[in-house]
Amino acid sequence: GNSVTQMEGPVTLSEEAFLTINCTYTATGYPSLFWYVQYPGEGLQLLLKATKADDKGSNKGFEATYRKETTSFHLEKGSVQVSDSAVYFCALIIQGAQKLVFGQGTRLTINP
Amino acid sequence: GAGVSQSPRYKVTKRGQDVALRCDPISGHVSLYWYRQALGQGPEFLTYFNYEAQQDKSGLPNDRFSAERPEGSISTLTIQRTEQRDSAMYRCASKNGQGGRETQYFGPGTRLLVL
Repeated sequence: GNSVTQMEGPVTLSEEAFLTINCTYTATGYPSLFWYVQYPGEGLQLLLKATKADDKGSNKGFEATYRKETTSFHLEKGSVQVSDSAVYFCALIIQGAQKLVFGQGTRLTINP
Repeated sequence: GAGVSQSPRYKVTKRGQDVALRCDPISGHVSLYWYRQALGQGPEFLTYFNYEAQQDKSGLPNDRFSAERPEGSISTLTIQRTEQRDSAMYRCASKNGQGGRETQYFGPGTRLLVL
């Protein structure tokens, strides 16, 4: 089946630290990959996406590269801010399908 | 409004009662999705519509759950005879086209608590 596995949280970092949140997937077809973010008290927002192998999605200083050989889509940011504190979800959608398949989420807390 | 809206934002009900959750998608969006998110987990697909037609309801857990979108805009997810295990965040999303890779835009969710 199709599934997404994320790095277990919670993750706590200091401001300006380097961030990596691991995400790996299993897919029966050719997926597009997404990172969604949920800030406190808000709904899910798309952070970035990549639709084919070796594509890099980027937004707000975050990056993730679609690695087909390792079936991974790790989220990175060079210098985190307190405002990045949120829950991050990795997700996939199989080509031709409609439903997003989400990982369990990783809660990130950034301390000043 | 500019985004997807859902109502109510919070619903507390007693076991055995019926509840109706509403989703108002982004104007003009063709596709509408319902997901359920248990505490500490990611959202799980329930059902989706293109226009008014329900295309896939494979994620609905049992026949107490139903959804409709009669005019191809607003959708209602109904849970009959609620049980405590139905407590979760219910999320709605909409999408402009019918292509799978296009972005789904999510609403704020309805948190349901069944006592």
